Amino acid sequence: QVQLVQSGAEVRKPGSSVKVSCKTSGDTFSSQATTWVRQAPGQGLEWMGRIIPIFDAVNLAQKFQGRVTITADESTSTAYMELSSLTSEDTAVYYCARGKYSSNWFDYWGQGTPVTVSS
Amino acid sequence: EIVMTQSPATLSVSPGERATLSCRASQSVKSNLAWYQQQPGQAPRLLIFGASTRATDIPARFSGSGSGTEFNLTISSLQSGDFAVYYCQQYNNWPPWTFGQGTKVEIK
Repeated sequence: QVQLVQSGAEVRKPGSSVKVSCKTSGDTFSSQATTWVRQAPGQGLEWMGRIIPIFDAVNLAQKFQGRVTITADESTSTAYMELSSLTSEDTAVYYCARGKYSSNWFDYWGQGTPVTVSS
Repeated sequence: EIVMTQSPATLSVSPGERATLSCRASQSVKSNLAWYQQQPGQAPRLLIFGASTRATDIPARFSGSGSGTEFNLTISSLQSGDFAVYYCQQYNNWPPWTFGQGTKVEIK
């Protein structure tokens, strides 16, 4: 079955960067999108961006443009999301997600990576 | 950007009762709408896509309806594991894909 396994929890200081990974197994990694969604404490879900590795195509939410970099390593079926210039408002759980058969809804989710930004 | 608005914010329901959750889009999303369930400390789980198609292994007590700008998720007889937060998500106009703010279904 399809599994998305994310890297572990991170603590960062304001102004620094964080890079979260998401390894996919049981699926055709390169031809389908890996999406990043975040959830601040007690808040809803916020779409950040996605990558389709085979096309080297990246879409980013306007809010994060200039601060988010999404990349993929096809050799390891791993997607990465790097967020820079962190503030306390970036404290959240970051999820990767994928659709089945290139769908635009999200059938599969990673377990989430908590990121805490604190001085 | 399409704004998704869910109501109510919190729904108090007794086990065995029926729950109806609403989701409204700021413009038509046709039937390009999904619903997710999220338990505390867990990732969201897909329930419904295409406004009314249940995802794999989702029980029949979950049903979705609507099109255009008005959608409902109905849980016909609430069980203990159904008390959670529910989100709608549109995928008609993207990017960005947008979610509602969520409805919490709590035990009455």
